Amino acid sequence: AQKVTQAQTEISVVEKEDVTLDCVYETRDTTYYLFWYKQPPSGELVFLIRRNSFDEQNEISGRYSWNFQKSTSSFNFTITASQVVDSAVYFCALSRNAGGTSYGKLTFGQGTILTVHP
Amino acid sequence: EAGVAQSPRYKIIEKRQSVAFWCNPISGHATLYWYQQILGQGPKLLIQFQNNGVVDDSQLPKDRFSAERLKGVDSTLKIQPAKLEDSAVYLCASSSLTGRAFQNYGYTFGSGTRLTVV
Repeated sequence: AQKVTQAQTEISVVEKEDVTLDCVYETRDTTYYLFWYKQPPSGELVFLIRRNSFDEQNEISGRYSWNFQKSTSSFNFTITASQVVDSAVYFCALSRNAGGTSYGKLTFGQGTILTVHP
Repeated sequence: EAGVAQSPRYKIIEKRQSVAFWCNPISGHATLYWYQQILGQGPKLLIQFQNNGVVDDSQLPKDRFSAERLKGVDSTLKIQPAKLEDSAVYLCASSSLTGRAFQNYGYTFGSGTRLTVV
């Protein structure tokens, strides 16, 4: 069975602070995909990143960066110089890579509520 | 491209009543998913279709929930009769995945239907 744990329920920071959201996952698969989604107050899920388990390179996109460490089953997300518009619920998710009937099924963590104060 | 359309946006019903939600996926997306997101939790997959066939409905409470995808395009999710614990946001997603891998990633969520059962 697959499981995703986001231990931080809520994080509160002041604008321009850096913040890291933790994600730990469990899977028996040797290949899999990891995702981060943002859910603003409007409710839609906004895709941020997809990472293939083959690729352990860290990725940076503007103020966002992701640290994937297969050895510790973690896929942490850092926002540099946070802004008020970053306030949202952030979800880490896991999916099988291939095979079987559960490809495409996303297993989500509980989410981390990020509040950025001006 | 147009996104995943869902309606209604909000619905309030009394327990034991029936309700139906509608989803129109992105054109050409063969795979369609219904997720249930209870307040404070991550989304949980209820059912996955590929074209008009069910791939995974292992977490669908079949005594009260049903879903169909006629002609492999639009889908409806029905609850009959509703219980208080069905209060949640129901998210529809579609993807261009038809097989093994997320090679042509196109996994998109709709804005959801917020159901309140009183």
